Amino acid sequence: NAGVMQNPRHLVRRRGQEARLRCSPMKGHSHVYWYRQLPEEGLKFMVYLQKENIIDESGMPKERFSAEFPKEGPSILRIQQVVRGDSAAYFCASSPSGFSGQGNYGYTFGSGTRLTVV
Amino acid sequence: GNSVTQMEGPVTLSEEAFLTINCTYTATGYPSLFWYVQYPGEGLQLLLKATKADDKGSNKGFEATYRKETTSFHLEKGSVQVSDSAVYFCAHKNYGGSQGNLIFGKGTKLSVKP
Repeated sequence: NAGVMQNPRHLVRRRGQEARLRCSPMKGHSHVYWYRQLPEEGLKFMVYLQKENIIDESGMPKERFSAEFPKEGPSILRIQQVVRGDSAAYFCASSPSGFSGQGNYGYTFGSGTRLTVV
Repeated sequence: GNSVTQMEGPVTLSEEAFLTINCTYTATGYPSLFWYVQYPGEGLQLLLKATKADDKGSNKGFEATYRKETTSFHLEKGSVQVSDSAVYFCAHKNYGGSQGNLIFGKGTKLSVKP
């Protein structure tokens, strides 16, 4: 009964390279959320996806960042042409449904990917 | 707008001391409220939650009561242990906001000394 799996745990990229972060939700969960945690900051929402659909990307930077959650396979957060300011911990969370009408459960978070841009 | 404000840390306590971490929120509608805990090098774990006014969430000796009149959800524990050392995040999920969007406070780092 694996939880939310993120890989890699640590990722080092040089400025200008691409970073790909993967997230496999919990079994039975079809909703995925990506959050970014900057040093000494709380988590900031980036994007919410269901299978093959982006539901809310209001927290995504307009350029260089994209996310997908294909029918098969993990969700991918992609950062093109990384810059030093992209260094952060990126957390993925999943839930069985996005808006149950009750909202009385929390999300299950993965252990995160710590991206360092050098 | 929707936001969460929590007590700034770090908070340093001796073992068996009483803990309070304050959290207030602004939200449209009737949010569900959460406390998450993050141990060093790990992801966030749900600690407790409350879904309506006057509900009390509790887990592992921690408690928090949903106070609609003061828009607060303060975290308390009567006797902390060294193993409680972690960062604690208050969060709310708003029915009226983006679907499934959890809004977090900045986190409060707790260090418990033996």
